[in-house]
This record gives sequence, C-alpha cells and structure tokens, in this order.
Amino acid sequence: SQKIEQNSEALNIQEGKTATLTCNYTNYSPAYLQWYRQDPGRGPVFLLLIRENEKEKRKERLKVTFDTTLKQSLFHITASQPADSATYLCAPGGSYIPTFGRGTSLIVHP
Amino acid sequence: DGGITQSPKYLFRKEGQNVTLSCEQNLNHDAMYWYRQDPGQGLRLIYYSQIVNDFQKGDIAEGYSVSREKKESFPLTVTSAQKNPTAFYLCASSMGLAGTVQETQYFGPGTRLLVL
Repeated sequence: SQKIEQNSEALNIQEGKTATLTCNYTNYSPAYLQWYRQDPGRGPVFLLLIRENEKEKRKERLKVTFDTTLKQSLFHITASQPADSATYLCAPGGSYIPTFGRGTSLIVHP
Repeated sequence: DGGITQSPKYLFRKEGQNVTLSCEQNLNHDAMYWYRQDPGQGLRLIYYSQIVNDFQKGDIAEGYSVSREKKESFPLTVTSAQKNPTAFYLCASSMGLAGTVQETQYFGPGTRLLVL
C-alpha cells in the first residue's frame, strides 16, 4: 500500500537558520508533490507544488526539491523566523484518492 | 471574498444524536472533501465528491454520511453509529480531481466536534 513518511519528531531550530523537512514515499510514483502548512486549530494552507520533471521549486524563502529516484522531497525554509513555526504536510499527488503525510512540526526559536 | 466556510466552529453531540457539519465554497470548485484529524495525527479522508450528486467513500466512511445536491455545498452528517466522533473536521475543495495537478486543496477553518 502507499505510504508517506514524515519525521514525527518536532524540528527545533534557531531563528535565521535554514530548516529542512523530509518527505519519503513508497509504493507509488507521484506525478507531483505538494506541501502545505498547518497552524494549530486551523486548516492546512497550500504552499508549493513541484512536478516530477522539476528538480527544484522556489517561492520567496521556500525551496522544494523532488527526487523521484530516492522517492523523496525536501522542503527548505531559509532565514527561518518564529512565525514559520507550524506543522508542514507533504502530499504526493497523482493517485485517485488524495493522501497527506502526518506532517512535521517545526519550532523556530528566537 | 472567495473561500470555503465551515460551521459551526464548535459542535457538541449527545449520545445517540446525529449532527450535521456545514461546508460551503464559492470558489466554483468541482471537487470537495471531508477529513477527520485527531490530536497529533494526520488527515484521514472520510468522503469526497468530484461532481454534484456523486460522492465516494474515503478511508473512514463508517458512521458518516454526506450529500452533494449543490456544487457549493457538501454537508457531513456524523451519525450515532460513529462511536468515537470527537475530532477536528476539515472540509476542502479543489478545482480539479484528485490525481490531476488541479487537485490543490483549499481548506476551511474546521469544526471541532465534542461529545457530551
């Protein structure tokens, strides 16, 4: 069955550093992959979509990579700020039913 | 303002009672979804609908029912058969179907259901 793995442990970093979150998937080959941000008590918000033929996608301080050989996507936030603290979900796409990873909590300390 | 709304924000259910959660969107999206989220857990798909008058079961449909009579609306009923309904319920919509690049989902603010 399809499986999406995101680090269940929270990632703690200092303000100004680069945060890197990992999404691994198995048993399928998504044509694209999405990243969402979720704040406590709120619905997820779409951030970025990267297609299988794109190695890297950037949006302001965000960067996403997609390695279809490793079956992995990395999500980077450069110059992180306390306001970036949230849970980040990955969602490999292309399957008939939408699926989300459990998310990784990012905590940016001032 | 275009968006997706859910009501109420908090809902209390008594034992044996059916309750209905509202979800409305004015984004002109074809597809709509209902998810359940438990503390510290990911999103679990309850039901989804790709077009009006059609809907499909997700991973955890037992104890829930939906309808899609209008494009804008996708209400979820939590029936008395759902023995553990306490959770955060999220509704979402997307322009296109799951499996296409138009499946980027736009989520509502959520409804928190509590059992009395």
